[in-house]
Amino acid sequence: DTGVSQDPRHKITKRGQNVTFRCDPISEHNRLYWYRQTLGQGPEFLTYFQNEAQLEKSRLLSDRFSAERPKGSFSTLEIQRTEQGDSAMYLCASSRQGSYNSPLHFGNGTRLTVT
Amino acid sequence: GESVGLHLPTLSVQEGDNSIINCAYSNSASDYFIWYKQESGKGPQFIIDIRSNMDKRQGQRVTVLLNKTVKHLSLQIAATQPGDSAVYFCAEGPYSGNQFYFGTGTSLTVIP
Repeated sequence: DTGVSQDPRHKITKRGQNVTFRCDPISEHNRLYWYRQTLGQGPEFLTYFQNEAQLEKSRLLSDRFSAERPKGSFSTLEIQRTEQGDSAMYLCASSRQGSYNSPLHFGNGTRLTVT
Repeated sequence: GESVGLHLPTLSVQEGDNSIINCAYSNSASDYFIWYKQESGKGPQFIIDIRSNMDKRQGQRVTVLLNKTVKHLSLQIAATQPGDSAVYFCAEGPYSGNQFYFGTGTSLTVIP
């Protein structure tokens, strides 16, 4: 299966610590997205990359959050000085983007718990 | 069984019955819509999509209907099975763009 892969699946951290998540998209997909999902809600957009360029960031993405996609392949999402409000499922998705939109293919997410 | 999206976020149906899940979208500029299924502990899984130049599209056991006049989208699942139990999300966006917005979702429970 060459779907979107996320690591780790679960992360428990203490408030104030830094955490980093990794996403490996489907190999031929040039777009990569990060979403955040809290219990009972739909995914909320955080940011997306086209190849290695970060083209859009949500206002939800505070300056404690940073995402990279250095070679246009895998991506990392880092949260510095975590807060309890950061507890959520962090979803990565990828798509093959030409001139038109196409469905996002999601990974199974990283569930973050900040204690 | 039938849901009204944000107002009735849960739907229970008997196995073998047809299910209808509804979604109201807000952005009249959206012209591309997708339904996702999310099982517990997993990421959303693509089910079916539709562009605004269509009002109906069929897949395997699923049909999506789009009513642009009232900005309403529905997902019909035929002969619902226990494996269909999940949360269903609609997502909207511009076909020529790069952003998707998700609704709150509807939880479907299939009673054996």
